[in-house]
Amino acid sequence: GENVEQHPSTLSVQEGDSAVIKCTYSDSASNYFPWYKQELGKRPQLIIDIRSNVGEKKDQRIAVTLNKTAKHFSLHITETQPEDSAVYFCAAFGGYNKLIFGAGTRLAVHP
Amino acid sequence: ETGVTQTPRHLVMGMTNKKSLKCEQHLGHNAMYWYKQSAKKPLELMFVYNFKEQTENNSVPSRFSPECPNSSHLFLHLHTLQPEDSALYLCASSQVEGGDTQYFGPGTRLTVL
Repeated sequence: GENVEQHPSTLSVQEGDSAVIKCTYSDSASNYFPWYKQELGKRPQLIIDIRSNVGEKKDQRIAVTLNKTAKHFSLHITETQPEDSAVYFCAAFGGYNKLIFGAGTRLAVHP
Repeated sequence: ETGVTQTPRHLVMGMTNKKSLKCEQHLGHNAMYWYKQSAKKPLELMFVYNFKEQTENNSVPSRFSPECPNSSHLFLHLHTLQPEDSALYLCASSQVEGGDTQYFGPGTRLTVL
């Protein structure tokens, strides 16, 4: 079945630095790739998503890139702030008709 | 209340108990989902309902029994659970089933003794 791998599992950066989280997927039919942020004790919330007809999407300090050939997509956070500290999940939706999540990346932004 | 709500927020039960989790969405969506979130594991899809019809059962043990009386409400009935079933159970909804944004509820933290 579809498999989504996410790296790294933990990421520690200094405030103001950039953070990059990478995911790879196995199903070439995947066409929708959302990213969710889950703060401690809270629900996952969508922060950005991208569809397979687009290579890059940006929303203020957050951007996502998609490489369909290599079957990987990445989340980029620039000018990180302490409130960016959370667990980030990537996901892929494709031929199996369900959203498959990565294992998550715990991001810590230190002041 | 807006969005997706879940009750109870916390639940402790013995292995012989029967309990139910409730989810309600106020977004006018047609698809609803149950996920299990365990420590250090990816979010696991359990069930999908689309227009009240179950469209996915991701090999979930029969001690978990979902019910979807209408597009706004989703239940998860629990019976004779095991300690390894302790987890955060998240409900989500989306406008349509499939590649569409899913909105999550706050979850029910379940502990099975």
